[in-house]
Amino acid sequence: QKEVEQDPGPLSVPEGAIVSLNCTYSNSAFQYFMWYRQYSRKGPELLMYTYSSGNKEDGRFTAQVDKSSKYISLFIRDSQPSDSATYLCAMSDPETSGSRLTFGEGTQLTVNP
Amino acid sequence: DTEVTQTPKHLVMGMTNKKSLKCEQHMGHRAMYWYKQKAKKPPELMFVYSYEKLSINESVPSRFSPECPNSSLLNLHLHALQPEDSALYLCASSHPGQSNEQYFGPGTRLTVT
Repeated sequence: QKEVEQDPGPLSVPEGAIVSLNCTYSNSAFQYFMWYRQYSRKGPELLMYTYSSGNKEDGRFTAQVDKSSKYISLFIRDSQPSDSATYLCAMSDPETSGSRLTFGEGTQLTVNP
Repeated sequence: DTEVTQTPKHLVMGMTNKKSLKCEQHMGHRAMYWYKQKAKKPPELMFVYSYEKLSINESVPSRFSPECPNSSLLNLHLHALQPEDSALYLCASSHPGQSNEQYFGPGTRLTVT
């Protein structure tokens, strides 16, 4: 079993839809949670970074962490064609893994105009 | 400024060539990383430098040789590569410590012929 499971998609939605991207994890020692957006043939771009359980909002993006359920989500409101990309969740356990990030496999999102 | 730059953008090399990938950041980060990413897969960690010292080598073959000349620069020297080493090579940086909020560069797309 992988430490981080991410819904693989691909996911295709109409413009303006609310998108929900999700990851579950098995390692309860994970403390830091990140969402990266990666456009085709580009490097990953850090979108959201959270530490504690709860919600964090940045514009159209909301990151949600539920440590009790070992579940994280990224919500995109009013999705745009420019949001079409692969979204990677990542998390870390600094106590034992130091600088290592554990990534999900990524969800490919297409927003259709 | 959250920019990590990488050169070259693209590189084609034969199996007998020697080449180098370069990475630079000016965010004052003291941890720098090399990752390898194959198509439709998440990044795989190769090396971590912390305060200009190699702290993690993920059992990478010796045909990949990292170097950190100073706190802003990171090189990856390549020699006698195999076609299966063709991939997107990503550099990232962060503050050392527990947050692991890593910022990625755009990558170098390497093709080994």
